[in-house]
Amino acid sequence: EAEVAQSPRYKITEKSQAVAFWCDPISGHATLYWYRQILGQGPELLVQFQDESVVDDSQLPKDRFSAERLKGVDSTLKIQPAELGDSAMYLCASSSIDRFYEQYFGPGTRLTVT
Amino acid sequence: SQQGEEDPQALSIQEGENATMNCSYKTSINNLQWYRQNSGRGLVHLILIRSNEREKHSGRLRVTLDTSKKSSSLLITASRAADTASYFCALLSNDYKLSFGAGTTVTVRA
Repeated sequence: EAEVAQSPRYKITEKSQAVAFWCDPISGHATLYWYRQILGQGPELLVQFQDESVVDDSQLPKDRFSAERLKGVDSTLKIQPAELGDSAMYLCASSSIDRFYEQYFGPGTRLTVT
Repeated sequence: SQQGEEDPQALSIQEGENATMNCSYKTSINNLQWYRQNSGRGLVHLILIRSNEREKHSGRLRVTLDTSKKSSSLLITASRAADTASYFCALLSNDYKLSFGAGTTVTVRA
């Protein structure tokens, strides 16, 4: 069964360093989402792509976070500089056009900022 | 965007017992979904119920939706150790934005 791939699974970085996460959605899924999940809370949407275009980045802290999906397939989320409060699980999800309401999640990247 | 509020925050049951968790919300929705998350992993979609539906079943899962009370419940029957996880309700708004509650942590004791 097709899955959303994410890497790395775990990342430890020091405050003020740059960090990047990668996501490869299920083949054919036009919509890609990046979520942040703080321990003990539900996921919060950071950015949503439709193909290569951003359709919602209203909750993305744009002073330090950036996201791209250049060819409308895989995507990268970057944080620069990382802050202690960025420690969280970063989840990627994708959905198809015809079943846009059902999102498939990757395993996530657990980020720890020290 | 609104979030669902799950209740209880945590639940501990014996294997074989049923587990029930609730989700309440404040504004109108397109549909309501339930997801499961095993510790340190991604979310898995369990079941979706549309705003014009009242009840849905999938295997050992039963979901109800009462739009007049703006609440939903998820029932897991005959629980197993493998059901130990966090369960999240997610609301799809009428402008198609999905928002998650804080989840219910379920522990099934052998």
